[in-house]
Order: sequence, then structure tokens, then C-alpha cells
Amino acid sequence: DGGITQSPKYLFRKEGQNVTLSCEQNLNHDAMYWYRQDPGQGLRLIYYSQIVNDFQKGDIAEGYSVSREKKESFPLTVTSAQKNPTAFYLCASGASWYEQFFGPGTRLTVL
Amino acid sequence: GQQLNQSPQSMFIQEGEDVSMNCTSSSIFNTWLWYKQDPGEGPVLLIALYKAGELTSNGRLTAQFGITRKDSFLNISASIPSDVGIYFCAGLGGSNYKLTFGKGTLLTVNP
Repeated sequence: DGGITQSPKYLFRKEGQNVTLSCEQNLNHDAMYWYRQDPGQGLRLIYYSQIVNDFQKGDIAEGYSVSREKKESFPLTVTSAQKNPTAFYLCASGASWYEQFFGPGTRLTVL
Repeated sequence: GQQLNQSPQSMFIQEGEDVSMNCTSSSIFNTWLWYKQDPGEGPVLLIALYKAGELTSNGRLTAQFGITRKDSFLNISASIPSDVGIYFCAGLGGSNYKLTFGKGTLLTVNP
């Protein structure tokens, strides 16, 4: 089946630990994106990548890092520098900005 | 930065009723998108609008791209319980080519 997968669905971490969220797509899309969603808020762009080995900061990149070594994969690391990491994280991919297909999300809780 | 004002924030309606929600902005957008998000899942694209004045339907859903390019609305006719969820508008274009999301409209349908 074609699609976007994110794992795990739920993630718990202690404060001060780095954590990496996985995002994989088999849609052959060049572009991939990471968003953060907080309750009652719209989606905010963390990082995006329009091609392999290249990525750009979004609106709230501080405390996050990404890599794009393969077309299919765009992992997001939430570092200890991120002050409020507890949130719902959404990965998307698409052929263009106006064609973004979202994964099921990962809910990160930092204790 | 660009902002989208989405209203209403929430709606409680009876099954069978029609629903209308809208997004407005002080900035011009070149594309308007409407997404639906079920609880704990990623958003799913419902309708994409690419031209000012465009009116597009997808089943019981109808959306329009405002003639000023600063607004869009989404109508749902004859609502059913599975319409429950959060509806987001998103705009593309203007001062930068990134999707800007509204904060969402939470729809509850009473059977």
C-alpha cells in the first residue's frame, strides 16, 4: 500500500533526552514536511525538505533537527533544547506545497 | 507573518443540518485548501481551490475561493455523524510559498 507512515504512534520521554520521530513514505514524493500541532492550534511548520540532502527551517525550527539522506525518509529529532516538546507531530509529503498528504502522527509526551 | 482567521471555533449541530465555516486573511492567497482531521489522526485533504471565484464540490462538501483571494468558505450539507472532526483551512502563496493553517473548526454532530 502507498502512503506515509509515522512511528511510533505514542512516545514518552524524560525531560532532557533527545528523541527521534520516524517518517517514511513510498509515494515517490520529492518534498517532505514536519509540523507540530498543539491543542486548539493550527499546524506549524518545523522543517521541510524539497529534495534529498537538502532541508530548510520552517517557522518553529528551534530545538529540532532533521536529516534527509533518502527520498523515502525524513526523521525529526526533538532535542533537549526544545522548551515545550510535548505535542502532536505530523509528517507530510507531496509533489508540491499545495499537495501535502499527512501521516497518522506521533504524540510525544515529555515527562 | 501571514495569518488565517478561521470561524467558528466550534459548532454543535443536529444530524441532517447544513454547516458553514470560513477563513479570512489580510493577505492574498493563490491556493486555498480544506482539510479534515479525525481525533488522533493526520489531516486529510478534502478540497483544493486554485482560482479566485472557484466553486468546487466533493460529495456533500462545497468550497469557494473568495473573489478577493483573501477568504474561503466550506459548506457541508445534510451532516451525518461521521462528519465529526476538526476542519482546517490552509492558504498558499502571497509573501511566501508555505502553507499557512487556520486554527480549525471543531464540528460535533448529534445523531
